Amino acid sequence: EPEVTQTPSHQVTQMGQEVILRCVPISNHLYFYWYRQILGQKVEFLVSFYNNEISEKSEIFDDQFSVERPDGSNFTLKIRSTKLEDSAMYFCASSEARRKETQYFGPGTRLLVL
Amino acid sequence: EDKVVQSPLSLVVHEGDTVTLNCSYEVTNFRSLLWYKQEKKAPTFLFMLTSSGIEKKSGRLSSILDKKELFSILNITATQTGDSAVYLCTPRRGDDKIIFGKGTRLHILP
Repeated sequence: EPEVTQTPSHQVTQMGQEVILRCVPISNHLYFYWYRQILGQKVEFLVSFYNNEISEKSEIFDDQFSVERPDGSNFTLKIRSTKLEDSAMYFCASSEARRKETQYFGPGTRLLVL
Repeated sequence: EDKVVQSPLSLVVHEGDTVTLNCSYEVTNFRSLLWYKQEKKAPTFLFMLTSSGIEKKSGRLSSILDKKELFSILNITATQTGDSAVYLCTPRRGDDKIIFGKGTRLHILP
């Protein structure tokens, strides 16, 4: 069964460094999303992406964040200058055009900022 | 402000018991409600509900939505240890944004 994949599974970085989290959505999906979950807290929406542009973003998704679909398969989340409070599990999700309500999640990338 | 309240927050039962997980919501321009199961990592999709009163079933799991009273329930019968997880209720708005609740942490004792 097709699934969303994410790399790396874990990343540790120093505060102020740039990180790029990678996602490969399910191949026929057209809607892409990033969420994050700080340890012990609920999942929070970051951004949605369709037709090569951001369709919606939350207050969390400030100028330090950017998303890109550099080719036909990858969907990336970049954090330009990481802060301690960016430490979280980051989930990518995708959905297909016909049933875009149903989002399928990747396994997540656990980011730790020291 | 959009709100999702799940209850109970945590539940411990013995294998074989039946559980009912509750979700009430207040969401702008409600469109549908999704239930997810989150074990160690990513939430996995269980159900999507759009119409009131129509029960969705998948094996031992079932769910129903009441759009008038703004709630949904998830039932699990004959629970197994593999059902231990956090269950997330996520209403979806007309702008496609999904709102996460804190979840119900379910633990099944053997």
